[in-house]
Amino acid sequence: QKEVEQNSGPLSVPEGAIASLNCTYSDRGSQSFFWYRQYSGKSPELIMFIYSNGDKEDGRFTAQLNKASQYVSLLIRDSQPSDSATYLCAVNMGSQGNLIFGKGTKLSVKP
Amino acid sequence: ETGVTQTPRHLVMGMTNKKSLKCEQHLGHNAMYWYKQSAKKPLELMFVYNFKEQTENNSVPSRFSPECPNSSHLFLHLHTLQPEDSALYLCASSQETGDGYQPQHFGDGTRLSIL
Repeated sequence: QKEVEQNSGPLSVPEGAIASLNCTYSDRGSQSFFWYRQYSGKSPELIMFIYSNGDKEDGRFTAQLNKASQYVSLLIRDSQPSDSATYLCAVNMGSQGNLIFGKGTKLSVKP
Repeated sequence: ETGVTQTPRHLVMGMTNKKSLKCEQHLGHNAMYWYKQSAKKPLELMFVYNFKEQTENNSVPSRFSPECPNSSHLFLHLHTLQPEDSALYLCASSQETGDGYQPQHFGDGTRLSIL
């Protein structure tokens, strides 16, 4: 059974702090990893993707991948109330484009 | 505004009705997907089309019938649905399915309620 695990939260952080969102996956052969943000009542929006071990930075967002530990994370620096949303981790576990999604972590940034 | 448009945004139907969900993408992509999102569950992949050919049917009941007339349009035909089919149905597209590195872009979804 191919699975992606996320802590459902809610994760509450104060405005300006670093939010750390974590994800583990079951298939060691997975090649590509995606983070989506989903506001309540809206569709998932792609915010980051990462393919190689290490860190990838884009503005306030940093994705971190450790394939040996089967672990991917998303850091949000200088968190803003507008970052409050559910963050979905998605992993491609095969040669096709089919993504396996986690249940998502709900983030709440308090002013 | 996203490059993937879904209609209708909301749909209420009885168990004996027949309706269709429509998805159109304006991104020049060749792969399109249907997902189901229920409360407290991860997104569930239902169907995948690559260059108009169905490449994945994730054990979806036959009361859901997809149609992909071209790379830009995807339909989900619904008939004799059950109350547990009430959910948010999301359409997504990507460049193609081949190498697994292509990110998927989602539409705003259709919120379906079965009476």
